[in-house]
Amino acid sequence: GAGVSQTPSNKVTEKGKYVELRCDPISGHTALYWYRQSLGQGPEFLIYFQGTGAADDSGLPNDRFFAVRPEGSVSTLKIQRTERGDSAVYLCASSLEGAGEQFFGPGTRLTVL
Amino acid sequence: AQSVAQPEDQVNVAEGNPLTVKCTYSVSGNPYLFWYVQYPNRGLQFLLKYITGDNLVKGSYGFEAEFNKSQTSFHLKKPSALVSDSALYFCAVRPTDTGRRALTFGSGTRLQVQP
Repeated sequence: GAGVSQTPSNKVTEKGKYVELRCDPISGHTALYWYRQSLGQGPEFLIYFQGTGAADDSGLPNDRFFAVRPEGSVSTLKIQRTERGDSAVYLCASSLEGAGEQFFGPGTRLTVL
Repeated sequence: AQSVAQPEDQVNVAEGNPLTVKCTYSVSGNPYLFWYVQYPNRGLQFLLKYITGDNLVKGSYGFEAEFNKSQTSFHLKKPSALVSDSALYFCAVRPTDTGRRALTFGSGTRLQVQP
């Protein structure tokens, strides 16, 4: 079956611009996660959705970052007023329910010039 | 707060030899522990997990890991390495007593298997 998909695979933007990153989880997975991976580091947690609601957003670095999952399936991570420090690979993962292993998408590489 | 340490940035082994990638963790209560592998330009792939029960966990591609509660370790092992095992390996932990579902990852260990 299809895995987690993320679009775009690469995004280049200019400092100060707004970007949206999309995640399409595995069908039937109720839990969805966003992580950020900087070069040479392990992924860092951003936000977790159970269904449509954000159950844990403690990893969002500041109020420029926001994510939604309006129908409990596809999720969009939104970054306002991008900064060069936002450059990273943004990973999405999903799991059958909150306690299961997480299956990761290929990531979106964001570059802020 | 939980943390994961992978003390080796890189591990080099010869093909056919056994391999070990080390991981130690710090978490309140009992942990869920995971190993993931990352190939170049690809997402993280799940290898194995420890939830409860037998301390020796078997996973994909012949990998296994041993949970040691007293040493707070979860080392990844394989009896005979393949060149195709060369990749970046991440250990991750999740607490079981707080309701948090987020994984905390180590910084990764690059495994290089030489032919």
